[in-house]
Amino acid sequence: DAGITQSPRHKVTETGTPVTLRCHQTENHRYMYWYRQDPGHGLRLIHYSYGVKDTDKGEVSDGYSVSRSKTEDFLLTLESATSSQTSVYFCAIRPGTGNTEAFFGQGTRLTVV
Amino acid sequence: GNSVTQMEGPVTLSEEAFLTINCTYTATGYPSLFWYVQYPGEGLQLLLKATKADDKGSNKGFEATYRKETTSFHLEKGSVQVSDSAVYFCALSQNTGFQKLVFGTGTRLLVSP
Repeated sequence: DAGITQSPRHKVTETGTPVTLRCHQTENHRYMYWYRQDPGHGLRLIHYSYGVKDTDKGEVSDGYSVSRSKTEDFLLTLESATSSQTSVYFCAIRPGTGNTEAFFGQGTRLTVV
Repeated sequence: GNSVTQMEGPVTLSEEAFLTINCTYTATGYPSLFWYVQYPGEGLQLLLKATKADDKGSNKGFEATYRKETTSFHLEKGSVQVSDSAVYFCALSQNTGFQKLVFGTGTRLLVSP
């Protein structure tokens, strides 16, 4: 267990509502990532963070925002959920970059109805 | 940009059969290469990695060799077990700049007794 907790693990929400997913780490790693996993697409990067208050967009960032006010927490917000955002969301942490291993959370299954 | 291409699955094998899952990549320079495995209902975990050309990563009987000339990192195992049934992801990370982790679409392996 790499000390990553995602919450909630499952959520069903209605179209148009805001949703926030939380990733919490106890490892004090600098780098944190949010991915979504969809059949046929593998894992696609939504947003990432390279330090407190330092974040940037990934390849599928439209409709998502993030915040990192503390090293240990990385929040992903869907401003107004849509059915296309139904997915499994994974948080990952990484101590360094390049050749270092990333550790993944257990995932959050989000359904937008 | 950087990308990873994996063979489509599912790959269906009988126990003790030989496994190959193909992975090729597109990247500038000399990225680090990874194989991750995802068991049902879980997050991804690192299976093996290679950080420079001709390196061989190995773990739990799985092997992959970093081939710069063919831009490939194929996963092999000499004798698969039912417990190897999972989804396997090839990934790369540049060793300069932010070094985002880019994944392939994943290959599902099904091993029958």
